[in-house]
Amino acid sequence: AQSVSQHNHHVILSEAASLELGCNYSYGGTVNLFWYVQYPGQHLQLLLKYFSGDPLVKGIKGFEAEFIKSKFSFNLRKPSVQWSDTAEYFCAVKGGSQGNLIFGKGTKLSVKP
Amino acid sequence: GAGVSQTPSNKVTEKGKYVELRCDPISGHTALYWYRQSLGQGPEFLIYFQGTGAADDSGLPNDRFFAVRPEGSVSTLKIQRTERGDSAVYLCASSLEGGRSPLHFGNGTRLTVT
Repeated sequence: AQSVSQHNHHVILSEAASLELGCNYSYGGTVNLFWYVQYPGQHLQLLLKYFSGDPLVKGIKGFEAEFIKSKFSFNLRKPSVQWSDTAEYFCAVKGGSQGNLIFGKGTKLSVKP
Repeated sequence: GAGVSQTPSNKVTEKGKYVELRCDPISGHTALYWYRQSLGQGPEFLIYFQGTGAADDSGLPNDRFFAVRPEGSVSTLKIQRTERGDSAVYLCASSLEGGRSPLHFGNGTRLTVT
């Protein structure tokens, strides 16, 4: 069965700092990988996704993630965070072409203005 | 367009009671998912429908939990003999099909069992 591990529970940064949130997954076959974001008081929204091809994927709001197959990782990055990026970020994996989506426990990001 | 709609947004019930939570997916989405999210945790998978049938119900914690989607659109999550440990936010999501399409989430139903 697939599982997802997010390394950081809470990250606090100042505006303009660079961000990297770790995500590792466990699954033996082909995976589809996602990052979702939940802003305060809002529902989960898709940030970016990886299915195949270029392992560096770009999402909304300047976020990107790199799939490293040998490390079973899909880390999220942003060169310069803004106060409005304060939210909770969830990494998720779907094994194969069908099936359910499994989430990590999430990383809360707080950006100080 | 309209997103995923969940009702009620909040539900308070007494221990031992029966509750129903409703989800209206985005029109045309054939896949529908239920998740449960407790404080400080990620969404926990419960069940996934493809059309009218449950394609994967391996996440349902026990036989007190049941979900239906009789016409392949609206879904109802049913919880019998509620327990305080069932308190959580119940999330519904839909997607175009069960493959690579991303999930679109509703705002959730916050269930509190007293």
